Amino acid sequence: GQQLNQSPQSMFIQEGEDVSMNCTSSSIFNTWLWYKQDPGEGPVLLIALYKAGELTSNGRLTAQFGITRKDSFLNISASIPSDVGIYFCAGQTTSGTYKYIFGTGTRLKVLA
Amino acid sequence: DSGVTQTPKHLITATGQRVTLRCSPRSGDLSVYWYQQSLDQGLQFLIQYYNGEERAKGNILERFSAQQFPDLHSELNLSSLELGDSALYFCASSVAAGPTYEQYFGPGTRLTVT
Repeated sequence: GQQLNQSPQSMFIQEGEDVSMNCTSSSIFNTWLWYKQDPGEGPVLLIALYKAGELTSNGRLTAQFGITRKDSFLNISASIPSDVGIYFCAGQTTSGTYKYIFGTGTRLKVLA
Repeated sequence: DSGVTQTPKHLITATGQRVTLRCSPRSGDLSVYWYQQSLDQGLQFLIQYYNGEERAKGNILERFSAQQFPDLHSELNLSSLELGDSALYFCASSVAAGPTYEQYFGPGTRLTVT
């Protein structure tokens, strides 16, 4: 099925470091969502973005809706061990069905 | 807790069998989505319902079907199960189906086909 390109696929970082990940697509999206998923659990919504250029924060997380509407970025500042998990982006298509396409995920591991 | 509930949490069954997964959306949400997540894979959209009617279809096999009932809960039926159907199945809900509505996910049902 159709998926967004999300990078990096995985990353190991030291506790306290900042983290950046992004999603890109060849299609334009109306909405971008960022989720975190812990093993065996459902994805939890972190941030929602609705306008091109929008920058939104949620605690140590900041996400941006790319100007071209084809990409989005998520930054985590001062990472902590509980940030471990898989981060997914999801873009809502401009088709009439408004369905979401999910990224392939970024697996984050934080080294204490 | 997202407010979306799914039952059962775990399901183990044999090939060729049929199972039903159940989802109750958040209070007030009219739209329900079903996703499949295989081991270490992303989320594959299966199907969406809005207020009882099918709204969008993704990569849903013909052996799979779903429906949304008048009380807005939804069921995903998987039949003639194959080993490759083993996966996590997630339900998500949103208030409506337009371009500015976030999806909230349930805890998932882990299906194991032996």
